[in-house]
Amino acid sequence: GENVEQHPSTLSVQEGDSAVIKCTYSDSASNYFPWYKQELGKGPQLIIDIRSNVGEKKDQRIAVTLNKTAKHFSLHITETQPEDSAVYFCAASIEDSNYQLIWGAGTKLIIKP
Amino acid sequence: KAGVTQTPRYLIKTRGQQVTLSCSPISGHRSVSWYQQTPGQGLQFLFEYFSETQRNKGNFPGRFSGRQFSNSRSEMNVSTLELGDSALYLCASSSHTLGGEAFFGQGTRLTVV
Repeated sequence: GENVEQHPSTLSVQEGDSAVIKCTYSDSASNYFPWYKQELGKGPQLIIDIRSNVGEKKDQRIAVTLNKTAKHFSLHITETQPEDSAVYFCAASIEDSNYQLIWGAGTKLIIKP
Repeated sequence: KAGVTQTPRYLIKTRGQQVTLSCSPISGHRSVSWYQQTPGQGLQFLFEYFSETQRNKGNFPGRFSGRQFSNSRSEMNVSTLELGDSALYLCASSSHTLGGEAFFGQGTRLTVV
């Protein structure tokens, strides 16, 4: 079955710098890769996703890149702000009638003022 | 529209007791998934229900069970509680059309003493 590995487990960056979180997946059939952000005391919330027919997607300060050959995808956050501090989860799935998200272990992002 | 509602938000139970948690999905969503999240841990998948049928199941003991009603509301039951069951239990609902985003509730914080 699918397995998703996420690194690093903790990432501390200076406010204004960029942050990059990486995930690798094992099942080459996976074709949908969402990223979720979990703030303290809340459930995870989708921030960006990408499908296997594109290599990169951007939304303001957030971008996701996908390398299907290497089976890895990354979340890039530029110009980090204090409100970016949270736990970020990547996931992978096969979009079919029985799709199930397989989750990474999460990355705690700390933005230092 | 209203988000995913989980009740209760907090619960304290004694070892050996049983507990039932409730999740009301977003109106129109037919899929409900349950996750266990322990401090510093990722999202451990428990099970998923779609149109009243359990479609996917994680690697948890039989003490963990669930069901879904015709209105898509779901309940999760844990019998013979153990100290290690203390966790945040999250449910997520999805329309499960292609690219269906998973919307999470705020979770139920269960403490077993």
